[in-house]
Amino acid sequence: KNEVEQSPQNLTAQEGEFITINCSYSVGISALHWLQQHPGGGIVSLFMLSSGKKKHGRLIATINIQEKHSSLHITASHPRDSAVYICAVFRGSQGNLIFGKGTKLSVKP
Amino acid sequence: EPEVTQTPSHQVTQMGQEVILRCVPISNHLYFYWYRQILGQKVEFLVSFYNNEISEKSEIFDDQFSVERPDGSNFTLKIRSTKLEDSAMYFCASSEARGLGELFFGEGSRLTVL
Repeated sequence: KNEVEQSPQNLTAQEGEFITINCSYSVGISALHWLQQHPGGGIVSLFMLSSGKKKHGRLIATINIQEKHSSLHITASHPRDSAVYICAVFRGSQGNLIFGKGTKLSVKP
Repeated sequence: EPEVTQTPSHQVTQMGQEVILRCVPISNHLYFYWYRQILGQKVEFLVSFYNNEISEKSEIFDDQFSVERPDGSNFTLKIRSTKLEDSAMYFCASSEARGLGELFFGEGSRLTVL
């Protein structure tokens, strides 16, 4: 079983829709990262969370440590948001990230 | 804005050849990482590096792999004798703080082993 599970695997939305991507993990963590991987392959860090909620522009990330769950929300989605969104957790006792398989988002105009 | 740079962007090599992938992390960062992503699969951790030594490595990072920071700016990943299954995108990343700080990734180096 994967230690980091994302849902959905694929998501198609119409421009302007509100989007939610979910991440569940089964290990104790000290931080959770949301990353965006562009079609060309490059990876950009969106958020690092250890508790609560963060907002940046149209992106909002939340984490519930007790439930071992995080969500990434995109408001007023736009075709340029089309990318793979990856959840990755840092366990603290070990110096590495465990990655989810990613959610491929396609936003249609 | 500071960025992590990686070279080459794409390398094609013959099986058994040595490959060196280079990375220039952000200058004030202290923690450096290599990850790889085989086509169609998830990103996997290879190794983390701090204070001029490996701090953590995965099962993937066997004796064929090595890392070094030869001159205080470059951070290299060497694959001694490449295998077909080493074909992947290799990402370098750096951060100010281990795990609890924002990670900055390079654009990746695509390695194709023939």
